[in-house]
Amino acid sequence: GEDVEQSLFLSVREGDSSVINCTYTDSSSTYLYWYKQEPGAGLQLLTYIFSNMDMKQDQRLTVLLNKKDKHLSLRIADTQTGDSAIYFCAENPGGSYIPTFGRGTSLIVHP
Amino acid sequence: ETGVTQTPRHLVMGMTNKKSLKCEQHLGHNAMYWYKQSAKKPLELMFVYSLEERVENNSVPSRFSPECPNSSHLFLHLHTLQPEDSALYLCASSPQHRENPYGYTFGSGTRLTVV
Repeated sequence: GEDVEQSLFLSVREGDSSVINCTYTDSSSTYLYWYKQEPGAGLQLLTYIFSNMDMKQDQRLTVLLNKKDKHLSLRIADTQTGDSAIYFCAENPGGSYIPTFGRGTSLIVHP
Repeated sequence: ETGVTQTPRHLVMGMTNKKSLKCEQHLGHNAMYWYKQSAKKPLELMFVYSLEERVENNSVPSRFSPECPNSSHLFLHLHTLQPEDSALYLCASSPQHRENPYGYTFGSGTRLTVV
């Protein structure tokens, strides 16, 4: 199986909260990341969380980390049409300096 | 503008052509990376340069040849490509390669089509 798994699609109504989930396999991962890719653009780092944290909040974004279940989530409050993009989860596996990326979740925001 | 600039944005080339992709970063970073992004596949790391030295080469075919003349510039030289090499090629940089918690800064990519 893949090292980092994400569902491929998520559809939400404008104004609702979006929750994008990710599972990873390496329990010794030290840093975990969320990137956003808009059409025609590269990946943009949204936020990162250290493995010794459970939660990180940054304006409309909340990252939750459950180390026991190796589960990472990104919650976007008050989702807007401009949030439509592909969201990538990534981990830095222990002993490696190269992050492992998931396949990305396409977030579709409809009116 | 992320601080990582890639040119050209789009490239169409024949299988017998030779072309180069260029990446430039103005962030003072010491590490630079080439990734390949194909539809329905995870991001594929191709090459890693740290302080202008190649430190990773992920079993990339020799028809792709990287060059890093200084810490601000990275090239990917292409020759005799195959149609399956059509993809979005992304350049990224980071402050350092090892012990880097801050993630990568990506360019907008070059959309390559091999005909």
